[in-house]
Amino acid sequence: ILNVEQSPQSLHVQEGDSTNFTCSFPSSNFYALHWYRWETAKSPEALFVMTLNGDEKKKGRISATLNTKEGYSYLYIKGSQPEDSATYLCAFKGTSGTYKYIFGTGTRLKVLA
Amino acid sequence: NAGVTQTPKFQVLKTGQSMTLQCAQDMNHNSMYWYRQDPGMGLRLIYYSASEGTTDKGEVPNGYNVSRLNKREFSLRLESAAPSQTSVYFCASSEGQGIVGNTEAFFGQGTRLTVV
Repeated sequence: ILNVEQSPQSLHVQEGDSTNFTCSFPSSNFYALHWYRWETAKSPEALFVMTLNGDEKKKGRISATLNTKEGYSYLYIKGSQPEDSATYLCAFKGTSGTYKYIFGTGTRLKVLA
Repeated sequence: NAGVTQTPKFQVLKTGQSMTLQCAQDMNHNSMYWYRQDPGMGLRLIYYSASEGTTDKGEVPNGYNVSRLNKREFSLRLESAAPSQTSVYFCASSEGQGIVGNTEAFFGQGTRLTVV
């Protein structure tokens, strides 16, 4: 059974703070890792698709890094804003078990104004 | 720009009733998925379809059936609803096909189903 874990489960930060959270996944048979942003009452939206060890992706104030050898990815938010409040999901896909992405339970971020 | 459209948005069923959740995408994607989301758990895959005419079981297929009617539509059927199927259901699609595809998934708005 593949385990994808995200930490922390939830956190509150003040507006302007920078923050980061972690997605841990099996380090063997890596194929791809996705990050999604999920706002309340909406559907998840893709942030990043990461495939190579050492990948760094950036979108505005949000960036992500990938370490496939040790099985983790970090998501960073610089200067958090209230509109960043959402649940951030990662999804792992290995080279075995075709077609299936395994989702973590998410990190729920609340940015306080 | 519809993307992935799911219907209905909300449904209440009695135990033993049946229903079909509809999903359609207008992005010409090959792959389509049905997930359920329960408190404290990640999105769990029920069934998926890598291409028109094919369907396969995911992690939690028991109690469900699916039909990939054509490239656009992928429906999920509950033949005899049980309280354990109370959940939020999400349909998703992605361009990639099978093991080759690593493109991101696009999600519908979700269906909140309660079985009493």
